[in-house]
Amino acid sequence: SQTIHQWPATLVQPVGSPLSLECTVEGTSNPNLYWYRQAAGRGLQLLFYSVGIGQISSEVPQNLSASRPQDRQFILSSKKLLLSDSGFYLCAWGQNYEQYFGPGTRLTVT
Amino acid sequence: AQTVTQSQPEMSVQEAETVTLSCTYDTSENNYYLFWYKQPPSRQMILVIRQEAYKQQNATENRFSVNFQKAAKSFSLKISDSQLGDTAMYFCAFQPGAGSYQLTFGKGTKLSVIP
Repeated sequence: SQTIHQWPATLVQPVGSPLSLECTVEGTSNPNLYWYRQAAGRGLQLLFYSVGIGQISSEVPQNLSASRPQDRQFILSSKKLLLSDSGFYLCAWGQNYEQYFGPGTRLTVT
Repeated sequence: AQTVTQSQPEMSVQEAETVTLSCTYDTSENNYYLFWYKQPPSRQMILVIRQEAYKQQNATENRFSVNFQKAAKSFSLKISDSQLGDTAMYFCAFQPGAGSYQLTFGKGTKLSVIP
C-alpha cells in the first residue's frame, strides 16, 4: 500500500530564515505530487504540483519554491520566510483523479 | 474558474443520528469529479467519498453517502449512525475532468458529534 511522509511535523522559524519541508511517497511510482497550504480556519490552497522529476507548476506567486529531485520526493523551500508564510502545509500524491494527503507540517514564523 | 461553497460553517449531531452536510459548486465543465474529505483534530486530510459526474448513481461508502444533483450543482454528504470519531472538519472538493490537476476546496464544515 502507498504511504506518504512529511517532515518535520512542526517548525518554528524566525522571519527571514530559510525553509525546507520534505515529502516522500512509498509504494507507488511516477505519482503526481502536490503542495497545499491551509491557513487557520480556511480551506486548502494549492501551491505547487509536479507530474514528474524536475517538472514543477506554480499556482500562486509568492516567495516559496518547490523541487522534485527524485520520483517520489517533493521539497518545498523558501530563501527568506515571511510572517504570512505561517500555516499548515500538506503534501499530497495522486494518480488519475484522486489525491491522498500526508500528515502535514505546522509552520510558525515568528 | 470553479468555485465550491459550503454554507454551513458548523453543525452538530447527536451520536447515532443522521446528519447532512451541504455543498454546491459552480462549473461550466461537463465531466468532473467531486470529493468529500475529512480532517480530524490530527489535521490529516482523509478521503471519505468520491463521485464521478458522469455516473448517475450516488456513491456510498459504509455510513457515508452522497446526494449528487448535477443539474442543481449540488453534492451533499449524509453521515448515518454518527459516531464520536466523525467529529472533524469536512471539506467538499471539485476537480475538473482528466488532464487537470487542481482540486478546488470549499471552506469546510465543522461537525461535532455529541454523546
